Amino acid sequence: DAKTTQPPSMDCAEGRAANLPCNHSTISGNEYVYWYRQIHSQGPQYIIHGLKNNETNEMASLIITEDRKSSTLILPHATLRDTAVYYCIVTWDGSEKLVFGKGMKLTVNP
Amino acid sequence: DGGITQSPKYLFRKEGQNVTLSCEQNLNHDAMYWYRQDPGQGLRLIYYSQIVNDFQKGDIAEGYSVSREKKESFPLTVTSAQKNPTAFYLCASSIGARGHRDEQFFGPGTRLTVL
Repeated sequence: DAKTTQPPSMDCAEGRAANLPCNHSTISGNEYVYWYRQIHSQGPQYIIHGLKNNETNEMASLIITEDRKSSTLILPHATLRDTAVYYCIVTWDGSEKLVFGKGMKLTVNP
Repeated sequence: DGGITQSPKYLFRKEGQNVTLSCEQNLNHDAMYWYRQDPGQGLRLIYYSQIVNDFQKGDIAEGYSVSREKKESFPLTVTSAQKNPTAFYLCASSIGARGHRDEQFFGPGTRLTVL
């Protein structure tokens, strides 16, 4: 069972920042937050992951609250190609499993 | 180019037939995974392998079998015992036996339809 809760869908205007929320209120101390996305009919793509600190890479930023019960994935300048299903995943160090829930459909509009 | 290939992209089989899905990677990754995705759903883990000649069942292994004779290859057989085999099948790999701590790289998937 997925340990995260995401809204089913979200819209964003092209060029604006997309802030994708995720709740993981039962997260434990050794569990990481991962984000993947899946463009229609393709394999998922890794975006970013973090434990406690905020993280940034060339694709996105991950903001994790101090109590670690929620996080936000930020796409700073959304493009039409960012339209996809985004999965927020919580999993512990040493686990082989990535449990994908239903994710959240982000639609970037022109 | 390094990556994961799955073939074919679309596959049709008659009910009662076994079918083998191919997954090859040239990333020199030790770990490989098979997932199944049904429409509107997330991915579910079928089998995974952390090293050659070793593999473990995932959450929905019944009706499936795998082999890992070579590091580069992790074929999945969908047997006639699988009740609802029609689905989108995704193969993934990651660097080492640390599992999720390494990002998983996914192939393009095979869409299997059983008639």
